[in-house]
Amino acid sequence: EVQLVESGGGLVQPGGSLRLSCAASGFTFSSYSMNWVRQAPGKGLEWVSYISSSSSTIYYADSAKGRFTISRDNAKNSLYLQMNSLRDEDTAVYYCASEVGANHFDYWGQGTLVTVSS
Amino acid sequence: DIQMTQSPSSLSASVGDRVTITCRASQSISSYLNWYQQKEGKAPKLLIYGASSLQSGVPSRFSGSGSGTDFTLTISSLQPEDFATYYCQQSYSTLVTFGQGTKVEIK
Repeated sequence: EVQLVESGGGLVQPGGSLRLSCAASGFTFSSYSMNWVRQAPGKGLEWVSYISSSSSTIYYADSAKGRFTISRDNAKNSLYLQMNSLRDEDTAVYYCASEVGANHFDYWGQGTLVTVSS
Repeated sequence: DIQMTQSPSSLSASVGDRVTITCRASQSISSYLNWYQQKEGKAPKLLIYGASSLQSGVPSRFSGSGSGTDFTLTISSLQPEDFATYYCQQSYSTLVTFGQGTKVEIK
């Protein structure tokens, strides 16, 4: 059974940093691309970042560019999102999502809540 | 960025109703269109990928159609467990974008 489990969320002050993790199991993590998607309270889904299986290709939404860094450790079956210079508008539930099938997000974690507030 | 516009934003329907949700892209995206279902407090779930392919395990009452800029998600006979918010997503561009969502509520 495919499982994605996010962790690392919490309360952080504006301008602060946080590192999210996503632990994967039940599939060959090293073979597939991964994504981060977020959802602000009461709002819709917003794609944040993409990383290919080998980490050779990385994309960011404009809202994340220059502040967030996506990475992965295939030996540990883990995906990461380093978030710096956090703003109030980064408050959201952050989901990791896999692309076992190309071009669609077939498995999602349960999400981790990030709250940016003073 | 490619903008995705869903309509309606919300709808009320009864169990057994046929429900149709539309999604329009701001430019042609071929068939790179996916549909997700999200229930309150839960992660999204993939329903349809490639505009019309049913994800494994998803009931056959769900179907998708369209190509280019106009797409449709149809639920042939609404069931109690289908009350949720539905999102379209384009994966044509490397900068993936979602529609704003359609909330399906009980009439």
